[in-house]
Amino acid sequence: DTGVSQDPRHKITKRGQNVTFRCDPISEHNRLYWYRQTLGQGPEFLTYFQNEAQLEKSRLLSDRFSAERPKGSFSTLEIQRTEQGDSAMYLCASSFNFYGYTFGSGTRLTVV
Amino acid sequence: GESVGLHLPTLSVQEGDNSIINCAYSNSASDYFIWYKQESGKGPQFIIDIRSNMDKRQGQRVTVLLNKTVKHLSLQIAATQPGDSAVYFCADSGGSNYKLTFGKGTLLTVNP
Repeated sequence: DTGVSQDPRHKITKRGQNVTFRCDPISEHNRLYWYRQTLGQGPEFLTYFQNEAQLEKSRLLSDRFSAERPKGSFSTLEIQRTEQGDSAMYLCASSFNFYGYTFGSGTRLTVV
Repeated sequence: GESVGLHLPTLSVQEGDNSIINCAYSNSASDYFIWYKQESGKGPQFIIDIRSNMDKRQGQRVTVLLNKTVKHLSLQIAATQPGDSAVYFCADSGGSNYKLTFGKGTLLTVNP
């Protein structure tokens, strides 16, 4: 399968803990995106990378959130000091330039 | 897109009927549009896209129509099947060349 892979699929954490999610994009894709989706809503853009450079961050991405794509391949999204409001589905997508925009299955985060 | 909380627009059809799902977008600068299908617990699945220099595009059992004058997009699904039951989102570029803005989802239920 050459789709976008995300790990883990589910994460339950206690408030205040740090969590890290991983995304492996489609190998030919130069862009990688992170979105957040809450129940009943469409995905909302968080940030994106072109190769290893992080080019844009949404105001939704507070200073507790950090994303990296160190070698222009996989990416990680870390949330520090999690809060209950961080509970959501975190989606990764990749594309070649702006086309072939493909999403992964997401990581569902529950903060208790 | 406009937030609708947990109350998604719904469309219920009989198996074998044609379905039409509608979407309004707000940014006249949008030049790229995608329809996604999302099943429960999964990430959005790409269905079909269209660029603003076209007003119609067809895929396998699906057709997307774009009316830029009234900023309206529709997805037509022919011979709807139970496996088509899902939430459908339209997304547009909003004048950006990297992020997608998602519209209201529509819950499609196909009755056998």
